Amino acid sequence: AQKVTQAQTEISVVEKEDVTLDCVYETRDTTYYLFWYKQPPSGELVFLIRRNSFDEQNEISGRYSWNFQKSTSSFNFTITASQVVDSAVYFCALSEPTDSWGKLQFGAGTQVVVTP
Amino acid sequence: EAGVAQSPRYKIIEKRQSVAFWCNPISGHATLYWYQQILGQGPKLLIQFQNNGVVDDSQLPKDRFSAERLKGVDSTLKIQPAKLEDSAVYLCASSLVEDEQYFGPGTRLTVT
Repeated sequence: AQKVTQAQTEISVVEKEDVTLDCVYETRDTTYYLFWYKQPPSGELVFLIRRNSFDEQNEISGRYSWNFQKSTSSFNFTITASQVVDSAVYFCALSEPTDSWGKLQFGAGTQVVVTP
Repeated sequence: EAGVAQSPRYKIIEKRQSVAFWCNPISGHATLYWYQQILGQGPKLLIQFQNNGVVDDSQLPKDRFSAERLKGVDSTLKIQPAKLEDSAVYLCASSLVEDEQYFGPGTRLTVT
């Protein structure tokens, strides 16, 4: 069963618009980690954020922000004032101790296309 | 700090041939991972090493795939014999123990 669901396959926006990427996860563990990675056209996965299950504070880093809600098992990612360089595939991932720490279970990814 | 290095970047082979990929992790990273990413999907873990030992290889097709990590540093992933469905990008990642993973540029394999 898919443990990480990214329901949006592709999102297209015009530059300077905000874009929110949804991520819903499934786990029985009380301790786990959630991640977001960016995969630009070059193909290399770039680490964006790691959040542990005990830290529900929202986080902001520049134009990026993350909203973690355990009650709905969601870890959503917002890009504010999008730029063409934000065009990439974004992956949400889960790491659980009952599986093996370090093993990342990725969602299918959301393609973001930002046009000028 | 140098990132994760992988070679080759691209490889085209015919089915039933063998192929090997190489990965050099970030210096000091004890944990090394190999992922397979099929077009349009998220990466899937094939094998995880911690130093020399295998932590998880539950999703490695052991009848055709093998991997080793000699001296706890570099690693090679081999496919023998290759099948059409092995066409994918093979990503290597490394991390400090239980820390975020840093990925290499990947090897794009095409099996014809």
